[in-house]
Amino acid sequence: KAGVTQTPRYLIKTRGQQVTLSCSPISGHRSVSWYQQTPGQGLQFLFEYFSETQRNKGNFPGRFSGRQFSNSRSEMNVSTLELGDSALYLCASSLGTITDTQYFGPGTRLTVL
Amino acid sequence: GESVGLHLPTLSVQEGDNSIINCAYSNSASDYFIWYKQESGKGPQFIIDIRSNMDKRQGQRVTVLLNKTVKHLSLQIAATQPGDSAVYFCAEIPRAGGSARQLTFGSGTQLTVLP
Repeated sequence: KAGVTQTPRYLIKTRGQQVTLSCSPISGHRSVSWYQQTPGQGLQFLFEYFSETQRNKGNFPGRFSGRQFSNSRSEMNVSTLELGDSALYLCASSLGTITDTQYFGPGTRLTVL
Repeated sequence: GESVGLHLPTLSVQEGDNSIINCAYSNSASDYFIWYKQESGKGPQFIIDIRSNMDKRQGQRVTVLLNKTVKHLSLQIAATQPGDSAVYFCAEIPRAGGSARQLTFGSGTQLTVLP
C-alpha cells in the first residue's frame, strides 16, 4: 500500500506571496491532519480534515487554511507569507477514529525569503 | 496549556546497549500516547502506542512504560542498532471529547548510536 505523499517536497517563496501544499493520504484513510515543524517550536498541529470537513483546528492565524476533497486528498494554503512561516509542513493520514495511527508523509520544506 | 516535555534533548548509546528515552506530560486527561521516530529528511514514523489504562506495552525490541502517577512516559529500545539513530518524539491525545484528534508532541530527543 502506498504511503502518504506530499507535493512539492521543496518550495521557496518570498514574503507576501501565498503557497499551496498538497497531501495524498493512504488509500482508504479519511482523516488528514497537517502539522508545522520548526526547530524552535517543534511539531505543532495546524488542522484536521475528515470527510471534507475541518474537524479540529490548532492555534494558527487565519492565514493558514486548508481543504479536503471527496477523494480525501487535502491541500493547505498559507497566504501573505512571513519569514516565520519557513518550516517543514507535514501531513498525516489515518482512518479517522481517535486512536487510529497517524501515518506521516515526508513533508514539504517551505523556505520564505 | 497542554504540553509534553522531554527530560533530555540528546542521548548517546553504544551499539548493542539498551536505550531509554523519557517523556513527561502535563495533561492528566490524556488518554493515548504514541512514540514516533523521525530520521533526517523524513516524516515521523510510528513506533508504538499505549492507552492510559495500561502500564506497559511491548513491541519488537521496544517497550513503552506509562506511569500515570508522575505523568511520565518512557521508551526502551533493546540492543540499540545504528539504524535507531534518529529523533524520538512522544505525543499525546486527550481523552475523547476533549481536543479530539489533535496530537501534542514533545520537543524530541536525538538518539545517537555509537559504534
